[in-house]
Amino acid sequence: SQQGEEDPQALSIQEGENATMNCSYKTSINNLQWYRQNSGRGLVHLILIRSNEREKHSGRLRVTLDTSKKSSSLLITASRAADTASYFCATDVTGANSKLTFGKGITLSVRP
Amino acid sequence: GAVVSQHPSRVICKSGTSVKIECRSLDFQATTMFWYRQFPKQSLMLMATSNEGSKATYEQGVEKDKFLINHASLTLSTLTVTSAHPEDSSFYICSASDPRISQFFGPGTRLTVL
Repeated sequence: SQQGEEDPQALSIQEGENATMNCSYKTSINNLQWYRQNSGRGLVHLILIRSNEREKHSGRLRVTLDTSKKSSSLLITASRAADTASYFCATDVTGANSKLTFGKGITLSVRP
Repeated sequence: GAVVSQHPSRVICKSGTSVKIECRSLDFQATTMFWYRQFPKQSLMLMATSNEGSKATYEQGVEKDKFLINHASLTLSTLTVTSAHPEDSSFYICSASDPRISQFFGPGTRLTVL
C-alpha cells in the first residue's frame, strides 16, 4: 500500500521560479526521503529528513517535515530546466535502512 | 555515493520465457537488497526484501514462485521473472543498503514481454 501522497501530481513552472511539492503520509515514520527520477531512469536520492527534524537544506533544496500533520514539503528554489523530472517522497517506518514506501510522485516541468 | 548497477538495462523477451535481472553493489557490501516494480507513470511498488543468505520476504500480492529472488552474496542479488507474460512488462529497480549507509538505487531494468 502507498504511504505517501504527493500534491500536486503535476507542476509546470517557468525557469527561475520556485517549485513547492507536498507529501502526506499516514503512519508514524523514522524518516522521510525525497527522490528524483528522470524519465526512464533510476532514482536519485535528494535528501533525508528524520522524524525529530523540522527542516533541512541542501543546495537549492529545502525540505520541511511536520510530524503532527504527517506532511512534508520539498522546495526547489530558482528552478532550472534540468530540474524537470518526477519527484517522489518515500517513508521509512523503522529506520536502519528498512524498506521504503513511495508516494505516487509529482511530475515537474520547468520551462526554459 | 555508493554505486549500484543492474544488468541488463533493457530486455525484450517472448511470452513464456524466463528473464534474470542482476543487481550488484559495486563498492560496498549490501546486507539487504530491495526489488521494486514501476509501471508507466506510476510509483515504485516494493516487491520483496532480500537479505544475504536467507529467503526473500515478499510483499502481499507478489507471487514468490513467479518472481524468484536470490541473494547469494553481499554484492549480488538476482530477480528471475519466470514464465513472463505481457502483464509483467515493467521497469524493475533494485536498491541496496547496509545499516551504516543510505539505501542506493540501481538504474533500473526495462522488461518488455511480447
